[in-house]
Amino acid sequence: SQKIEQNSEALNIQEGKTATLTCNYTNYSPAYLQWYRQDPGRGPVFLLLIRENEKEKRKERLKVTFDTTLKQSLFHITASQPADSATYLCALDPSGAGTALIFGKGTTLSVSS
Amino acid sequence: GAVVSQHPSWVICKSGTSVKIECRSLDFQATTMFWYRQFPKQSLMLMATSNEGSKATYEQGVEKDKFLINHASLTLSTLTVTSAHPEDSSFYICSARQGRAEAFFGQGTRLTVV
Repeated sequence: SQKIEQNSEALNIQEGKTATLTCNYTNYSPAYLQWYRQDPGRGPVFLLLIRENEKEKRKERLKVTFDTTLKQSLFHITASQPADSATYLCALDPSGAGTALIFGKGTTLSVSS
Repeated sequence: GAVVSQHPSWVICKSGTSVKIECRSLDFQATTMFWYRQFPKQSLMLMATSNEGSKATYEQGVEKDKFLINHASLTLSTLTVTSAHPEDSSFYICSARQGRAEAFFGQGTRLTVV
């Protein structure tokens, strides 16, 4: 069956450290993968999109990698801050044609000062 | 990024009544809009996909007569929960895309049926 999994429900780190979140998928061949941030009681906010021919994408303190052989994406937040505390969701478009995104359950990141 | 406006952000209604939730793409034309439902500590579950001017496509297990979706224009989709019951209480989120671009989400609507 098709699955998209995020390795842990919760991740606790200290301010200033790098947070690394993992997203694995099976039985999909997505053309791209997306990462979103969701705060409690709010809709997801788009962060980054990485295509299958891109190994790495960066945006400020965020970095995403995409390994289509391992069927895995890693999401890094460097120099983490308490304001980064939120749930992070990975998502993929199974068809690559603008159909609905399929989401992982998310990893809730807590950054303590 | 693009803005998707969803309202109301929360609503409480009595069992048996209907509730309408609006989703608008404010600065782009959305060829497709999506409606999701989210339970606490769970992932977003797709309910239906709507394309402007055509009937919505519902996911398996979603009652189309209960969750009425109208996508009247390229910037507006509505979800009406008809004859709501307490088990319909949930967080409903709309999403809009323009072709294959990234998806943008509304703020979500917390529905509580009492």
